[in-house]
Amino acid sequence: QQQVKQSPQSLIVQKGGISIINCAYENTAFDYFPWYQQFPGKGPALLIAIRPDVSEKKEGRFTISFNKSAKQFSLHIMDSQPGDSATYFCAASTAWGYQKVTFGTGTKLQVIP
Amino acid sequence: EPEVTQTPSHQVTQMGQEVILRCVPISNHLYFYWYRQILGQKVEFLVSFYNNEISEKSEIFDDQFSVERPDGSNFTLKIRSTKLEDSAMYFCASSEEGAGAKNIQYFGAGTRLSVL
Repeated sequence: QQQVKQSPQSLIVQKGGISIINCAYENTAFDYFPWYQQFPGKGPALLIAIRPDVSEKKEGRFTISFNKSAKQFSLHIMDSQPGDSATYFCAASTAWGYQKVTFGTGTKLQVIP
Repeated sequence: EPEVTQTPSHQVTQMGQEVILRCVPISNHLYFYWYRQILGQKVEFLVSFYNNEISEKSEIFDDQFSVERPDGSNFTLKIRSTKLEDSAMYFCASSEEGAGAKNIQYFGAGTRLSVL
């Protein structure tokens, strides 16, 4: 029940295209959903996050869509660029206590010119 | 920009040896975490630490693991007797608060532990 399922495992997108990564969770206690971006040899870096009281959050080219009833959320990267090539992790945590972040399995995105 | 610093970047050890991984969290942060990532797999939570004590730990964090904040700036993870399966990237993270808007966890670049 603590898992966050993520798909696809890998994704190849042409420059300028839209990258879409999907995640699903089961634990209804989760109420904070961050996305992390990880470049090779680096730690995960927070990219964008959403709380379940909104259905969409947009920051620049990055948009999170959230469907609370379906317990699903997704990351859309508009106008994908080669510099976006990285591994993306969706994650979830709860808003109280000293809360661990539960990560999805990761999506390796490659944006080709 | 403040960052979480981890040392060393790569640690090679023999099976059965003790290792200490070191982290310097962001200075005004009060909550500290260790995660690990086995090559090609997802990032897994190990332990969280607040007010000089463990607040939560995963099933991975058994008696071979311990954490300590020996002074006002360092946060360490000790593995007493390393096993081959401990080989992984270990990430330290810190957050300003444990919950709410300031529970954004900032990750260090990691220490790659190789157990031979």
